[in-house]
Amino acid sequence: DGGITQSPKYLFRKEGQNVTLSCEQNLNHDAMYWYRQDPGQGLRLIYYSQIVNDFQKGDIAEGYSVSREKKESFPLTVTSAQKNPTAFYLCASSRGPGGSWEDTQYFGPGTRLTVL
Amino acid sequence: AQTVTQSQPEMSVQEAETVTLSCTYDTSESDYYLFWYKQPPSRQMILVIRQEAYKQQNATENRFSVNFQKAAKSFSLKISDSQLGDAAMYFCAYRSHETGANNLFFGTGTRLTVIP
Repeated sequence: DGGITQSPKYLFRKEGQNVTLSCEQNLNHDAMYWYRQDPGQGLRLIYYSQIVNDFQKGDIAEGYSVSREKKESFPLTVTSAQKNPTAFYLCASSRGPGGSWEDTQYFGPGTRLTVL
Repeated sequence: AQTVTQSQPEMSVQEAETVTLSCTYDTSESDYYLFWYKQPPSRQMILVIRQEAYKQQNATENRFSVNFQKAAKSFSLKISDSQLGDAAMYFCAYRSHETGANNLFFGTGTRLTVIP
């Protein structure tokens, strides 16, 4: 059963703590992405990775970090430097790095992060 | 950066009727991709339909179709025979055709209510 999984579904963090959100895909996709969604807004790109061991900052990377050690996995760490981390976080993947019709992005179910 | 505008924050439709959701975008590129994603209460983003800019023919997926007006930079979504399960947030998104230009630019969404 191919797809993208994210865990946990809900996450609570105390101020000053780092937390890591998990994203795994078994679609054999090369590219993976992290988006943030705030109420009343569309999604904004945090980081993306076109290939293993490589990643680039998106529009709102400050206060976040990522790694891409395996093709299947692209974890996102929300650091204490992120001033307003409460949001809904969505992971996505695509076959390739864009430029092709087949590089459509598909999304996981998301993680709701709340800072207490 | 490209901008995507959805001017209808909320829409409603009677079950079995037809509704059209509007989307306009701003770009200087000649080739690109456009998407409609659906976000139901579960909050997972689900691809509804996609269109490549150089293709003149409007995309259709079962009850969903688009009206793509390239000169006007308009990309509306028509839902025919609306069903209760169509109730969701709908997001219009833009992606460049350039390889490596992975970023999806999203509108702010339209909340669709289906009235039984």
